[in-house]
Amino acid sequence: ETGVTQSPTHLIKTRGQQVTLRCSSQSGHNTVSWYQQALGQGPQFIFQYYREEENGRGNFPPRFSGLQFPNYSSELNVNALELDDSALYLCASSPGLSGGSSYNEQFFGPGTRLTVL
Amino acid sequence: AQSVTQPDIHITVSEGASLELRCNYSYGATPYLFWYVQSPGQGLQLLLKYFSGDTLVQGIKGFEAEFKRSQSSFNLRKPSVHWSDAAEYFCAVAGGSQGNLIFGKGTKLSVKP
Repeated sequence: ETGVTQSPTHLIKTRGQQVTLRCSSQSGHNTVSWYQQALGQGPQFIFQYYREEENGRGNFPPRFSGLQFPNYSSELNVNALELDDSALYLCASSPGLSGGSSYNEQFFGPGTRLTVL
Repeated sequence: AQSVTQPDIHITVSEGASLELRCNYSYGATPYLFWYVQSPGQGLQLLLKYFSGDTLVQGIKGFEAEFKRSQSSFNLRKPSVHWSDAAEYFCAVAGGSQGNLIFGKGTKLSVKP
């Protein structure tokens, strides 16, 4: 069974550019969540995708957007990059939605390190 | 609002000594609680989780955690630390309608030989 994979591993961009990060979910998982981890901080929730639809969003501006494909892989797109976007971006997949009295464990990928100069 | 507090930014312990990492949470309902470990340049690995039932939870690598509702705490413990335990440790609660994880800022563990 293949775990969650992310590409690229590292990326360097300049301010104002756009970036696309990719995530392949674990086999059998239909839900993908994205997190941003700034240096010295814990991960912060960006958004979640379930069956190709956005299913919730954290406190991030609209220039952070995403997609989920029929095979449940996902992309995170960030437009108009700012210096503060420099961070480790983590993708996590789970076998379904969570909420109320149920919780589906999230499995994390190794992350993409984005540096904005 | 839901939140997680890890009061200790950095802890240093000697190899073989016991360890306790503190975590306090703020959550209205019965929480789902987690401890993750992150080695440098790596993603997050789940150490253990608490959903319900026995308040003392066993995890991987010899770690355990105790849920104390009265103190809103979920402290991580290990009786004897190994040099390979040096890493950053994150406590998290599952919150929000999506069950997204809310993380603390982490505690960096250093291990002295």
